[in-house]
Order: sequence, then structure tokens, then C-alpha cells
Amino acid sequence: ETGVTQSPTHLIKTRGQQVTLRCSSQSGHNTVSWYQQALGQGPQFIFQYYREEENGRGNFPPRFSGLQFPNYSSELNVNALELDDSALYLCASSLGGEAYNEQFFGPGTRLTVL
Amino acid sequence: DQQVKQNSPSLSVQEGRISILNCDYTNSMFDYFLWYKKYPAEGPTFLISISSIKDKNEDGRFTVFLNKSAKHLSLHIVPSQPGDSAVYFCAARLTSGTYKYIFGTGTRLKVLA
Repeated sequence: ETGVTQSPTHLIKTRGQQVTLRCSSQSGHNTVSWYQQALGQGPQFIFQYYREEENGRGNFPPRFSGLQFPNYSSELNVNALELDDSALYLCASSLGGEAYNEQFFGPGTRLTVL
Repeated sequence: DQQVKQNSPSLSVQEGRISILNCDYTNSMFDYFLWYKKYPAEGPTFLISISSIKDKNEDGRFTVFLNKSAKHLSLHIVPSQPGDSAVYFCAARLTSGTYKYIFGTGTRLKVLA
């Protein structure tokens, strides 16, 4: 059974640029959630995708967007990068459904915006 | 507005003793609560969850207690082991058509051998 993987591991961008982060969900999982974890903070929910549709969104501006593909892998896109976007971005996959809560997290992508 | 709060940034406990990690929340609409453990350079790992309709859930050395009237939950680890040293996050799920997960800021647990 393959766990959740994320790429790249680290990334450095400059302000105003655009970035795409990728996540491969655990085998059999149809739900992917993205989180932003700033230094010293807990993960903050960005959005969730269930069967290729956005299924929930946190308090993030529209320049944070996402996609889920038919194989349930996912992308997080951030446009017009700001310095405050520097953080660890975590992806979590799960089986989905109201009664199932266990999310499996990937190791994260560390984004630095200069 | 921090809806899920972990007021203790760190906790040290002697090996073999009980570790108690606390979490407070403000939103009475949360329907599930979860605890995660995080080691450096790894993503959080799910530990245990509890439905809002229950007051206790146990899994081996880990027990979560929920006090809805106080909007408080706690994670008990008995006995504590050095391998339990990690950052622990409390999280709550809000279901309103879709699902949102709100995390606390974490408590760093250090179990002393």
C-alpha cells in the first residue's frame, strides 16, 4: 500500500510568482485535503476535494486553487505569491464520507517566498 | 478567531507516567474531534477520534475524553513512553454541507526517560 506522497519537497519562489504543488493520495482514497502550516502554528484548512469536486473550503483567497484528477491525485496552485505564503503545505487523503475521519498526511512541501 | 485552542505549547512527563494534553473549542457545531501526532519532517499521523455524541474513546494507551458542556477535550497517554515525544494537534470537524477541519496550534510533548 503506497502512502501519501508530495512533490516537490522544497521550493523557493519570489513574490508575485505562481506555484503548483502536487499530491498523490493513498491507494483507494477518493478525498484529498490541503493544509497550510505556518511556523509555530497548526495546519490551516485550505480546501478539500472529493471525487474531483471541491467539497469544502477554508478562509483562503481565490488565488489558492486546486484540482483533483480521475486517479484522485491533486494539485494546489497559488498565484501572485506573497511573503506570508511561506509555509509547509500538507496534503491529506482519506476515504471520504461522513463516518470516516482518518486522514493520512503526506510529508509536506516547504515553500519559501522571497 | 481561533476556534480550537491548545493553551499549553509544551509538556514534559516522566516515562511511565500519564500525559494529559488539553484542547478547548468554541464552536458547538463541531461533530468530530481528532488527535494527531507529528514528528519533525513528517506529516501528522492520526491517533484517535471521538464523535460529539460520545464522552470517551479508548485505543490502547490512548484515551480521549470529551466534555461538551465545557467545550473541552483531553488526550490521556498511559503509560507515556519516550517514543511518544512529538507535537500533538487537536482538530475538530465542522460539517455544514461540506467538511472543514480546524486544527489547534499544537502541544510539544517530551517524555523523559
